[in-house]
Amino acid sequence: DTEVTQTPKHLVMGMTNKKSLKCEQHMGHRAMYWYKQKAKKPPELMFVYSYEKLSINESVPSRFSPECPNSSLLNLHLHALQPEDSALYLCASSPILQGSYGELFFGEGSRLTVL
Amino acid sequence: AQSVTQLGSHVSVSEGALVLLRCNYSSSVPPYLFWYVQYPNQGLQLLLKYTSAATLVKGINGFEAEFKKSETSFHLTKPSAHMSDAAEYFCAVSSMDSSYKLIFGSGTRLLVRP
Repeated sequence: DTEVTQTPKHLVMGMTNKKSLKCEQHMGHRAMYWYKQKAKKPPELMFVYSYEKLSINESVPSRFSPECPNSSLLNLHLHALQPEDSALYLCASSPILQGSYGELFFGEGSRLTVL
Repeated sequence: AQSVTQLGSHVSVSEGALVLLRCNYSSSVPPYLFWYVQYPNQGLQLLLKYTSAATLVKGINGFEAEFKKSETSFHLTKPSAHMSDAAEYFCAVSSMDSSYKLIFGSGTRLLVRP
């Protein structure tokens, strides 16, 4: 069983909808990540939070809005998405931002379909 | 800049045969290297990692990898493939230079024939 839990597992939304993806970990990790993965491609880094502060934004469009309410939770708010945003969104965590040399613990992902 | 190259987007083996998935890296500083596995409709799971200790690294599910600096390689092997090994495998590199940001290879899909 994964120790990083993502909800929902599947989400279908229209281009005018507002929805959120949620991620939770209880390993005491202080760095949390959002990745986007298109079919047959490696994960692409979107955002990194370190100690609940946004540390890295990989030039992600503003229709994706991350939030880290506390050290265990990470949200990704979605608004006015495009069909090309359909993908598997993966959450990951690590003990600290530069801890474990880059080893990450991944959730099972939320599969997003934008109609 | 760092990069990872995985040779072969698809590898097919018979059940019980040797598994060899190739990974070559490029890094100007000592790298840290990882193999992750992704089963269908799941997230990524760490198989093993090299962090400058022993060059032969053993991981989960019978996999191992050897760090060869002279060849800039970190190939993944398993002596005997099992049907349950069918998955996507990603090699990844990080280093102090990149603030330990993971750089993933393009992935190799392992197919296991009965």
